[in-house]
Amino acid sequence: AQRVTQPEKLLSVFKGAPVELKCNYSYSGSPELFWYVQYSRQRLQLLLRHISRESIKGFTADLNKGETSFHLKKPFAQEEDSAMYYCALLNAGGTSYGKLTFGQGTILTVHP
Amino acid sequence: ETGVTQSPTHLIKTRGQQVTLRCSSQSGHNTVSWYQQALGQGPQFIFQYYREEENGRGNFPPRFSGLQFPNYSSELNVNALLLGDSALYLCASSTWTGMTDTQYFGPGTRLTVL
Repeated sequence: AQRVTQPEKLLSVFKGAPVELKCNYSYSGSPELFWYVQYSRQRLQLLLRHISRESIKGFTADLNKGETSFHLKKPFAQEEDSAMYYCALLNAGGTSYGKLTFGQGTILTVHP
Repeated sequence: ETGVTQSPTHLIKTRGQQVTLRCSSQSGHNTVSWYQQALGQGPQFIFQYYREEENGRGNFPPRFSGLQFPNYSSELNVNALLLGDSALYLCASSTWTGMTDTQYFGPGTRLTVL
């Protein structure tokens, strides 16, 4: 069964510091991974998708199949980055086709 | 471009009742997925609809059912409500073009079962 693990429920950093939100996955096929973000009182929105290889709001994430990880990184955190971050894995086959499996989420707080 | 919308915003029901939640997909999208998000948890996949048929299902009992309409909007129906059904219900729309596409989420419907 596919599974996504975000080991840190809470993460606090100071403005300007580097930040890394961890995500590990378990999936038998070729993984397709996403990071979603939810700012206070806003809907869940896509931050980035690994196949796009884009950098959004300064965030990047590299898929490491050997370590089954998809950690989210930003070199210099900003206060506006404070939010809930979810890592998600897409099931592209079987009876749960189209299913996104989410991790439990990490609450990032960036202090001034 | 209109984003994903959901109605109602909040809903209170009692155990044993039935509820219908509604979702309008983003313009140009033909696929709708539903998720249940309990407090403090990540969203859990309920099912997905494409071309008015259920296209994939998570580990939810049959009392969770859905519909998709020709305009790609969708309904989630839950029968015989339990206290444990209290959650935020999220709808996400996407486009199927022969491969999976990014899912875009609505604001959710907060269901409270008393």
